[in-house]
Amino acid sequence: SQQGEEDPQALSIQEGENATMNCSYKTSINNLQWYRQNSGRGLVHLILIRSNEREKHSGRLRVTLDTSKKSSSLLITASRAADTASYFCASFSGGYNKLIFGAGTRLAVHP
Amino acid sequence: EAGVTQFPSHSVIEKGQTVTLRCDPISGHDNLYWYRRVMGKEIKFLLHFVKESKQDESGMPNNRFLAERTGGTYSTLKVQPAELEDSGVYFCASSQVGTQGTQYFGPGTRLLVL
Repeated sequence: SQQGEEDPQALSIQEGENATMNCSYKTSINNLQWYRQNSGRGLVHLILIRSNEREKHSGRLRVTLDTSKKSSSLLITASRAADTASYFCASFSGGYNKLIFGAGTRLAVHP
Repeated sequence: EAGVTQFPSHSVIEKGQTVTLRCDPISGHDNLYWYRRVMGKEIKFLLHFVKESKQDESGMPNNRFLAERTGGTYSTLKVQPAELEDSGVYFCASSQVGTQGTQYFGPGTRLLVL
């Protein structure tokens, strides 16, 4: 079964606005990670939140994790045009090392 | 510290041809992974090396795909013969020894099979 399904699939906002992306997963996790992919570039690791954490901050990023609902959210505050990218949540499958990704959220930030 | 590098960045080949992708992980990382994203769909795991050994190859689609990591350093992924549905972006990632740590991804190789 697929884990890490993002919502919404696409999001278009103006610079300065906040962007919130949600992710749901199906199996138990030890941690959940968020990645960003800019057009033509690779995946950049943004933040990792452990299963015993509820919220984590990194700069303009805020990630929450609700293990009871098997969901996570990524909030980008005061967005910039450079934040335009696809964002993916990912979690490990069981006790293994392979990451399971969702289809991602395409974020467009307009100047 | 150099990140994960992949070569080539782009490859356009015809159906039936062979293509070999290369990945150089971050120095000292024992774990090396291959993933791919086909036609804008989700990124899917292909396989995982620990040093030169294949730890998990459950994501390899079929026997047209062959991955190697001789000497436990760089890895190659060969597709032979390539089919149209193999088109996509192939990502390599590496992580330090241990399990379920942060995986650092390369820029990917964009493969187009015509």
